[in-house]
Amino acid sequence: AQKVTQAQTEISVVEKEDVTLDCVYETRDTTYYLFWYKQPPSGELVFLIRRNSFDEQNEISGRYSWNFQKSTSSFNFTITASQVVDSAVYFCALVAGGTSYGKLTFGQGTILTVHP
Amino acid sequence: AAGVIQSPRHLIKEKRETATLKCYPIPRHDTVYWYQQGPGQDPQFLISFYEKMQSDKGSIPDRFSAQQFSDYHSELNMSSLELGDSALYFCASSFGTLYEQYFGPGTRLTVT
Repeated sequence: AQKVTQAQTEISVVEKEDVTLDCVYETRDTTYYLFWYKQPPSGELVFLIRRNSFDEQNEISGRYSWNFQKSTSSFNFTITASQVVDSAVYFCALVAGGTSYGKLTFGQGTILTVHP
Repeated sequence: AAGVIQSPRHLIKEKRETATLKCYPIPRHDTVYWYQQGPGQDPQFLISFYEKMQSDKGSIPDRFSAQQFSDYHSELNMSSLELGDSALYFCASSFGTLYEQYFGPGTRLTVT
């Protein structure tokens, strides 16, 4: 069975601060895929990034960056110079390659509040 | 770019009634997923279809059923509704089962 843990339930920062959201996963599959989704107050789920288990390269997209470390089963997400529009719930999720047929297993989510 | 379409966006039903939620995937996406998100919860997988065949099933109540049609749209049928079924229901689609899933805006179901 797969499991995703987001240790931080809520994070509150002031605009322009950097913030890191932690994600730890568990799976027995050697092939798996990791995702981050953003859920703003409007409720939709917005895809941010997908990484496969064979690619440990870190990725940067604008103010967003992701750090994938297989040795610690972690896939952390950093927002640099946070903005009020970053306020949302962020979900880390996992798809196991072998048996899940694409089913996403989500973490509990981290509520990020960015204050002006 | 086209997105996943869900209808209706909001639905209010009484206990023991029936509800049907519809999902229209992104064109050329062959896989559809349904998720249920209760208040303050993470989305929970219900069921998925790949090329119109059921591919996986999660913790979906027996009162719920779903199917994917020849045009790839999907419907989630919910009968004998209970108060606990009140939630946000998401449909997502992807091209293949291991690629990123794009979510629709969700249907907010309220059972009174």
